[in-house]
Amino acid sequence: GDSVTQMEGPVTLSEEAFLTINCTYTATGYPSLFWYVQYPGEGLQLLLKATKADDKGSNKGFEATYRKETTSFHLEKGSVQVSDSAVYFCALCANAGKSTFGDGTTLTVKP
Amino acid sequence: DTAVSQTPKYLVTQMGNDKSIKCEQNLGHDTMYWYKQDSKKFLKIMFSYNNKELIINETVPNRFSPKSPDKAHLNLHINSLELGDSAVYFCASSQFGASGNHETQYFGPGTRLLVL
Repeated sequence: GDSVTQMEGPVTLSEEAFLTINCTYTATGYPSLFWYVQYPGEGLQLLLKATKADDKGSNKGFEATYRKETTSFHLEKGSVQVSDSAVYFCALCANAGKSTFGDGTTLTVKP
Repeated sequence: DTAVSQTPKYLVTQMGNDKSIKCEQNLGHDTMYWYKQDSKKFLKIMFSYNNKELIINETVPNRFSPKSPDKAHLNLHINSLELGDSAVYFCASSQFGASGNHETQYFGPGTRLLVL
């Protein structure tokens, strides 16, 4: 079945540090890939997505590139802020009506 | 306007009680979901409905029963609550098969259930 494996947390960084959260997947067919972010006390919201190989999703300074050859969709940001502290979920959708989520990575950014 | 709303936001109850959580979406989506998030933030899908028809029913105790009166609503009823049911329950919606598999899910704010 489909699965998503993402970097275990928690991750603690200083403000302005570079962020990478690794995500790899297993799926049949050609999935769409997503990063969702969950701020404290809130529901998940879409951060970015990519729908085909070599696509790059970007939003709020975050980027991720759909790498079919390595089945990966790593999340990066060049300079994190305290306000980026949240839980980040990698996800895929390979079959309409069902998304598969990773276990989440908690990021804490310290001033 | 809130796209996906849930009520109540907090629910504290005794073991053995029966409770319901309501969800409504105003996005015009035809698919709705219930997820359970535990204290370690793991997210687990419970149910999915498409046009009021159940399409995903993961291994969930029979005490949990979803009901979809129409495409915009998906409620969750829980019988005989147990301590292990304490978690945050999220409702979500998406448009089935939108642009292939490009189904962005839209989540509600969550219902924090505490069973004492």
